Amino acid sequence: LAKTTQPISMDSYEGQEVNITCSHNNIATNDYITWYQQFPSQGPRFIIQGYKTKVTNEVASLFIPADRKSSTLSLPRVSLSDTAVYYCLVGDKRGSTLGRLYFGRGTQLTVWP
Amino acid sequence: DADVTQTPRNRITKTGKRIMLECSQTKGHDRMYWYRQDPGLGLQLIYYSFDVKDINKGEISDGYSVSRQAQAKFSLSLESAIPNQTALYFCATSGVNTDTQYFGPGTRLTVL
Repeated sequence: LAKTTQPISMDSYEGQEVNITCSHNNIATNDYITWYQQFPSQGPRFIIQGYKTKVTNEVASLFIPADRKSSTLSLPRVSLSDTAVYYCLVGDKRGSTLGRLYFGRGTQLTVWP
Repeated sequence: DADVTQTPRNRITKTGKRIMLECSQTKGHDRMYWYRQDPGLGLQLIYYSFDVKDINKGEISDGYSVSRQAQAKFSLSLESAIPNQTALYFCATSGVNTDTQYFGPGTRLTVL
């Protein structure tokens, strides 16, 4: 099971772009990279998932270099409501490692006015 | 996510009491999970179930048991609650061939 390393905390101001980098040196060929967001006293919520290069949705972008040993979650023009913990996870999309996803401690993003 | 519900949302109990936390889902998913989260920490997997007849231990199953009563229902029991089981408990579900998990709102359990 590939584990991940990400910063414990980050600070930003409203309107700025935030990039959170995650390291996953032992990522396997079949593994996808998934990011979740968690607000206080709520369950984590799926944000984005990717395998390589770049993925973009209405919430965020995910950049994955060719070696796939790291990934960067990019949040454009953050607002106060983006203050949350962000988790980077690595696992097999087909679910063979399902149930053994490792959430870790995540990155606490605090957005200031 | 309203598709995954947990009851109760908050519970205060005493050491030694038996407690059951319940989870129901309307997403039609086969896979269900129970996690525990302590303040400032990530989620730790307690038990998971890939279908009604399948139960698996997670990272921290000691002191907990589960029951998968139906595809839509997965209950977590603390046979004899102790103070260090005070935590936020989350239920989650996922479909087959995907690792995206959908979480319930959580149950805040306090053991005095």
